[in-house]
Amino acid sequence: DADVTQTPRNRITKTGKRIMLECSQTKGHDRMYWYRQDPGLGLRLIYYSFDVKDINKGEISDGYSVSRQAQAKFSLSLESAIPNQTALYFCATSDLMTDTQYFGPGTRLTVL
Amino acid sequence: AQSVTQLDSQVPVFEEAPVELRCNYSSSVSVYLFWYVQYPNQGLQLLLKYLSGSTLVKGINGFEAEFNKSQTSFHLRKPSVHISDTAEYFCAVRSPSGYSTLTFGKGTMLLVSP
Repeated sequence: DADVTQTPRNRITKTGKRIMLECSQTKGHDRMYWYRQDPGLGLRLIYYSFDVKDINKGEISDGYSVSRQAQAKFSLSLESAIPNQTALYFCATSDLMTDTQYFGPGTRLTVL
Repeated sequence: AQSVTQLDSQVPVFEEAPVELRCNYSSSVSVYLFWYVQYPNQGLQLLLKYLSGSTLVKGINGFEAEFNKSQTSFHLRKPSVHISDTAEYFCAVRSPSGYSTLTFGKGTMLLVSP
């Protein structure tokens, strides 16, 4: 079983709709992240959480919100989706000991 | 603030040829450096990392990188590539602070052809 899972894997939605992307991990890591990937732009950090009670904005948090429901779960919400939020979204976890980030398989989101 | 520049967006190479993917960073403080690889339709995985010590770092799949502080570079090399190395490669940097986050470069697509 994958250590970091994301649901859904693909989603097509319409402008103005609310959408939630979910991430679960079985690695026991405290730290979790949400990134978006756009062609030619690399990965950009949206939000991150260093433990259950800690939420921080990343480089591009406008239009997004997150919820850390438990150590293992970190959800990303788009309150009112817009077409320029069409992208590949990745969840990742890390621990300070190994200084390695472990990525989920990604969610491809299309906003029409 | 740190930033990362990957000088080539795409590097085409023939199988069994050597390859170098370039990465330069800017930072006013000491840094940790990473290379991640993304195979088609997959998430990223760590290839190698430099935290301290020897400036030559060896990673998985025969890749290595050299940290050059004076040149602020961390170029990735492989002496002989395989078709299976076709992927996108990302250089990333962060400060040694336990509360810092990774900053990724824009990626270099390595295209290996027979």
